[in-house]
Order: sequence, then structure tokens, then C-alpha cells
Amino acid sequence: GNSVTQMEGPVTLSEEAFLTINCTYTATGYPSLFWYVQYPGEGLQLLLKATKADDKGSNKGFEATYRKETTSFHLEKGSVQVSDSAVYFCALRSGGYQKVTFGIGTKLQVIP
Amino acid sequence: DAGVIQSPRHEVTEMGQEVTLRCKPISGHDYLFWYRQTMMRGLELLIYFNNNVPIDDSGMPEDRFSAKMPNASFSTLKIQPSEPRDSAVYFCASSLTGTPIYEQYFGPGTRLTVT
Repeated sequence: GNSVTQMEGPVTLSEEAFLTINCTYTATGYPSLFWYVQYPGEGLQLLLKATKADDKGSNKGFEATYRKETTSFHLEKGSVQVSDSAVYFCALRSGGYQKVTFGIGTKLQVIP
Repeated sequence: DAGVIQSPRHEVTEMGQEVTLRCKPISGHDYLFWYRQTMMRGLELLIYFNNNVPIDDSGMPEDRFSAKMPNASFSTLKIQPSEPRDSAVYFCASSLTGTPIYEQYFGPGTRLTVT
């Protein structure tokens, strides 16, 4: 079956530090990959996406590249801000199915 | 559009009581999902519907949980009787077939506390 593995949090960084949150996946076929973000007290929002190998998704300074050879989709940002403090979920959708498989989530805390 | 609407936002109830959570999906969306989020288990898919028909309820924990979607604009998740271990945040999400990425739009969630 499908599964997503994320690094355990919480991750604490100083403002302007470089961020990497690791994500690897197991899936049948050729999945679409996503990063969702959840701000405190809110539902999840789609942050970025990639639908095929070597695609790079990007949004709000965040990037992730779909690496089929390593089955990975690591999230990166060059300079984090306090406002980036949130929980980040890696997810995948495989084939024609609507069901999305989420990782456990990684909490990011950015301190001034 | 108003987005996915959930009510109530917070619910506190005593063990053994019936709890009903409500969801209004985005107008025109044909898929609706119910998730549960806890610290221990993360985000779990409980059940999802397509065109008001339940497609996969394999994530529903036990018979105490039931979900309905009587029409395209309304769904309920019911827990009867509730137990303290049901305490969690319950999210509803909706999506639309035919869009390139099938993005799911989440509601703000209902925080349930069972004492």
C-alpha cells in the first residue's frame, strides 16, 4: 500500500535559517506528491505539488523536487520567517484515486 | 466561495453522550472526506464520499462512528456513545473531480473533547 514517511519534529530554527524537512514515500504506480501546511487553529492548506518525476513544486519561497530514483520529496526554504511556524505534511495521491495518504506531520517553530 | 464550513468549532461532552459534527463542502465539489487528527496517530482518513455515496469507510474506528451525506451540500459524522479516546480534531475536506490535481480543501476543524 501507499505510505509517507516524514522526519520527526519538532524542528526549531532561528529566523533566516535554511529549512529542510525530509519526506520519502512508497506507492504503486506514479503518484502525485504534495506538501500541505497547517497554521495553528486552522485546517490544512495545499502549499505545493508535483505530478511527475523531476517536477519542482514551489510556493511562498518553499520548494520540493519529485525524485523518483530516491522516492523522495524533501521540502526546502532558503530563509525561514517566524510566520512560517506551522505543521507541514507530506502527502501523496496514487493513480486515479481521490484518497490522499498523509505523513505524520512535522512541526516547525521559527524563533526571532 | 466560503470554503468548507464545519460546525461546531469546539465541542465538549461527557462520556456516553451522542456527538454530531457537521460539514458543508464547497459548492460543486463532488468528493467529501472526514479526517481525524490526534497527536499520537496524526491525520487519519475516516471515510469519504463521492456524489453523496460512501466509497471507503475502512478508516472508521468502530461501530460507534457513523457518517451520512444526505445531499451534496451537507454531511454529518456521528459518534454514539462517545468515549474519552475520541477526543481529537475532526476535519472535513472536499474536492472536485476533473481538476488537474484533485486538491482537497479543508475546513477549520471541530475540536472534540470527551470527558
